[in-house]
Amino acid sequence: QSVLTQPPSVSGAPGQRVTISCTGNSSNIGADYDVHWYQQLPGTAPKLLIYDNINRPSGVSDRFSGSKSGTSASLAIIGLQAEDEADYYCQSHDSSLGGSRVFGGGTKLTVL
Amino acid sequence: QVQLVQSGAEVKKPGASVKVSCKASGYSFTRYYIHWVRQAPGQWLEWMGIINPNSGSTSYAQKFQGKVTMTRDTSTTTVYMELSSLRSEDTAVYYCARSPLGGLGGLDIWGQGTMVTVSS
Repeated sequence: QSVLTQPPSVSGAPGQRVTISCTGNSSNIGADYDVHWYQQLPGTAPKLLIYDNINRPSGVSDRFSGSKSGTSASLAIIGLQAEDEADYYCQSHDSSLGGSRVFGGGTKLTVL
Repeated sequence: QVQLVQSGAEVKKPGASVKVSCKASGYSFTRYYIHWVRQAPGQWLEWMGIINPNSGSTSYAQKFQGKVTMTRDTSTTTVYMELSSLRSEDTAVYYCARSPLGGLGGLDIWGQGTMVTVSS
């Protein structure tokens, strides 16, 4: 069971907008630690999608955006495309676990 | 180019140990932490620990303390992760990944993963 809570699955039709939530507590996201998001395509290593809550690495489409408020963070994807079908993970830092990094349980995005 | 290249798949018997390597290239080895993350079949990502290649200091997730050892060889820019007393539950893909030194930044470069299978 992950420290950060994500919905197991979300879905949307091509062209639509979807959001994925990541809920933590006062020891991680609520303690003002940054949230990072990763995309994992089937059978491949994760890829950094959003870092420090809102920033996109070079080469990541601007269809992806991140936000954070209180003890939660969100990943939004607009103009959904078939190639976006993947697992998405949030990650932060938790001060109650000896300074560990923590991941969410992952969200499977299905493009209908 | 910047990359992390991991060693190949391993099959081990219960109770044995396994040592996975992660060779860094294309960047300054001592300026980025190396993390180890594992993913059991069909499961989520699980952070195992971190090593500072500059100092060699390590920090392990509570779950893995006493079970994992991370080391580095600066002469070959390689980080190693050794997992002991293997059980079937340790069957997973093990990834190394880097993040900038001195902060809590995201893991921006990942290795290709190493499958470790524990089976009698």
